[in-house]
Amino acid sequence: AQKITQTQPGMFVQEKEAVTLDCTYDTSDQSYGLFWYKQPSSGEMIFLIYQGSYDEQNATEGRYSLNFQKARKSANLVISASQLGDSAMYFCAMSSMDSSYKLIFGSGTRLLVRP
Amino acid sequence: DAGVIQSPRHEVTEMGQEVTLRCKPISGHNSLFWYRQTMMRGLELLIYFNNNVPIDDSGMPEDRFSAKMPNASFSTLKIQPSEPRDSAVYFCASTTSDGISKLFFGSGTQLSVL
Repeated sequence: AQKITQTQPGMFVQEKEAVTLDCTYDTSDQSYGLFWYKQPSSGEMIFLIYQGSYDEQNATEGRYSLNFQKARKSANLVISASQLGDSAMYFCAMSSMDSSYKLIFGSGTRLLVRP
Repeated sequence: DAGVIQSPRHEVTEMGQEVTLRCKPISGHNSLFWYRQTMMRGLELLIYFNNNVPIDDSGMPEDRFSAKMPNASFSTLKIQPSEPRDSAVYFCASTTSDGISKLFFGSGTQLSVL
């Protein structure tokens, strides 16, 4: 069975600083994908970044990067130069070919950016 | 691109009533998912369709819940009879199933059962 764990229910970060949101996963599948989604207070789910299990390079999308450590089964999200608009819930998720591509989510981390 | 369209955005109903949530996936996407989000349980996958066929409905909480996908551009999630504990945000999401790819979510339906 697959499992996603986000151990930080809430975090604070000062505006313009970097922050790391933790995510660990558990799977026996060989081929899988890891995702991060952002959910602002308005409620929509916004895709941020994707990392494939066979990708050797860490994924980056603008200010977002995914610190992928396969041996440790971790996929932490790094947000650089935090902005007030980054305040939101952040969800780590996983999908695999063996599980018919269904996306399983972690419990989320609420990030608050202080001015 | 219109994105995933869900209706209604908000639904308030009384216990015992039938509730129908609707979803139009992105054109060309052949996989559709229904999720439920609550404070207590987070995001739960209810059911997953591929090419209009239900593949995994193990997350459907009980027989009061049913989902259909009569064609590639429409899906419904029905709760009959509804109960207060069904109050949640229900998301529909779609993607292509040619490999692992990101899910595109609708705006969700906020359901309140009184």
